Amino acid sequence: GENVEQHPSTLSVQEGDSAVIKCTYSDSASNYFPWYKQELGKGPQLIIDIRSNVGEKKDQRIAVTLNKTAKHFSLHITETQPEDSAVYFCAAGQGNKLVFGAGTILRVKS
Amino acid sequence: DAGVIQSPRHEVTEMGQEVTLRCKPISGHDYLFWYRQTMMRGLELLIYFNNNVPIDDSGMPEDRFSAKMPNASFSTLKIQPSEPRDSAVYFCAIGQGTGELFFGEGSRLTVL
Repeated sequence: GENVEQHPSTLSVQEGDSAVIKCTYSDSASNYFPWYKQELGKGPQLIIDIRSNVGEKKDQRIAVTLNKTAKHFSLHITETQPEDSAVYFCAAGQGNKLVFGAGTILRVKS
Repeated sequence: DAGVIQSPRHEVTEMGQEVTLRCKPISGHDYLFWYRQTMMRGLELLIYFNNNVPIDDSGMPEDRFSAKMPNASFSTLKIQPSEPRDSAVYFCAIGQGTGELFFGEGSRLTVL
C-alpha cells in the first residue's frame, strides 16, 4: 500500500520568511496530492491540492510542486504570517483512499 | 468543518464501556469518512460510506469497532468494549469522492 513520509516534523521561521515542507510517497499509482492545515482543536482543512497531470499549482502565498518521477511533492508558503502557525499534513492516494503524512508543526515567530 | 457536526466533542470513559460517536453531515455529499488521529499513527482512515453504504472498512482496527449510516444525515462509530489504546481524536469527514474532504471538529476520546 501507499506510504507517505513528511519532513520536517517541526519548522520554525521568522515572520515574512518562506517555509517549505516536503513529502515523498511510494505508490506510483497515486494521482491526488492534497495539503491540509490543522489548527488546535479543529479538524484538518484543505489549503491546496494537485493532481498528477500538473507539476505546479499556486494560490496566493501558497504553492505546491509535484515530481512524479521522483515521487515527491512539496508545499511552499511565502511571506509567512503568525496565523500560518499550525500543523500541516500532506496526503497521497487515488480516489477515496488517502494516506496522510505524519504532519509538520509550523511556528511563525513575530 | 462547516459541513459536519460531531458529538460528543469530548468523552471520558472507563475501559470496557461502550462508546458511541456521532456525525451529522450538514451539506449534501455522497461520501462520509471516519478517521482516527493519534500521535503515534497520525491520521488513519477507518471506514467510508458512499450513499450510506459502507464501501471500505479495511481500516477498522478490530471487531470491537463498528460504524453505521442509517441515512444521509447521520452516522455513528461505536466501540464496544472500549480499551485505553482506543484513546484518540475521531474525525468524521464528507466529500464527493475525488477531491476535498470537509472534516468535523472531532471527538476526543479518553479511555481510562
